This record gives sequence, C-alpha cells and structure tokens, in this order.
Amino acid sequence: GESVGLHLPTLSVQEGDNSIINCAYSNSASDYFIWYKQESGKGPQFIIDIRSNMDKRQGQRVTVLLNKTVKHLSLQIAATQPGDSAVYFCAEKLLAYTQKLVFGQGTRLTINP
Amino acid sequence: GAVVSQHPSWVICKSGTSVKIECRSLDFQATTMFWYRQFPKQSLMLMATSNEGSKATYEQGVEKDKFLINHASLTLSTLTVTSAHPEDSSFYICSASTSATGANVLTFGAGSRLTVL
Repeated sequence: GESVGLHLPTLSVQEGDNSIINCAYSNSASDYFIWYKQESGKGPQFIIDIRSNMDKRQGQRVTVLLNKTVKHLSLQIAATQPGDSAVYFCAEKLLAYTQKLVFGQGTRLTINP
Repeated sequence: GAVVSQHPSWVICKSGTSVKIECRSLDFQATTMFWYRQFPKQSLMLMATSNEGSKATYEQGVEKDKFLINHASLTLSTLTVTSAHPEDSSFYICSASTSATGANVLTFGAGSRLTVL
C-alpha cells in the first residue's frame, strides 16, 4: 500500500561505524526494490537495487539484504561518513510491466563526528 | 548519465492562482514520467504517471482537474496546480523512465518547492 508517515524514524551513528537501515515493504508480489538517498531540498538519488530472486547485493560501502519471508529490506552502510547524513527510502515496484514505485516511510540517518 | 531537470526549483504564489512545474529529461527521451508529492518529513507519494502522447494516469485520491499533467514531447512533462491553496504547498518531484537509463532505474529531478500563501 501507499506509505503515509507522520514523522521520520531517525538513526544516529558515529562516523566510521556501520549503519543498518530497515524497511518493511507491503506487497509480497513486488519483484524489484531500490534504496534511495535524499538530501535536504533535493530529489532522491539511487543507491542500490535488488531483484526479488536475490537475497543480497553489494555495492561500494553498501549492502542490501532482502528477506521475502517477512517482507523486509535492509540497507547496510559501512564506515559511515558525514556525507552519508540524509534520509533513506526504500521503494518497491509493485507491477512487473511498469516502473511505478511505491516509497517506504524513510529513515533519517545522522552521522556524529 | 541521465539527467532530469525541474523548473522552477521553488515558487511562491497567491491562493487561487495556477502554477506550472516543468520536468525535462536533458539527455534522453522519456516515454514515461512520474510525478510525486512530498510533505515535510514524509515520504514521496505518487500522484500520477505521465505518458507521452496520451492522458496521464492518476493515483487514487488525486484530483485530475486539480493537477493537470501534460506530456507533449519525449523530453517534457508539465504539472499544473490549478487554483492553488495553502494545503497544496509541498515539494513536487518528477522522475523519468526510459530503457536508456537502465531497465529499472528511474532518474529523479531535484524537486520543485511550492508555497501557496
């Protein structure tokens, strides 16, 4: 279903530590998932994606894990840097023949020096 | 890489006036564009799917006569907020889709912040 949020969950981590951001998605038939990073006043920026036939995908300093059994997605960011401070959204593609995305609630990540 | 440009980046208007926001794909052709609205500290909510050369498809609860969408060319979609009211104040973001950007990767614009007085 559509995401409706009254506030954003927040996560604070120390610079250099690893962070894990979690997301619960809505539709068990969704076949594609994306993590986006949004800095203040800007549009979403693609981080990493994963298809439903995979359970893990790694990028540069980021790893996405998919657990279809419980409809859960996570984004792991290694060795966090100040520039990682942003709001992170997961998004799911509900239909195979469209690129229409539904966004999750979002998590604000703050990196403490 | 693929770039999507929105204009204006911010706009302030009086209640009752109409405002047009443009979304352009700068270096690729976009057969489909999507318009999202984002209220402060909330997620992106899909408003409509804009298809080049045909009518837009609106999400449930979005008034098509209030939010007019035109996708007259493969590089431009416009969103017009008609008779704007303060509750329409929001961050409007578009994204563009084409096989040239990758099968499943949408490119987002930087957003347009609308403030209705």
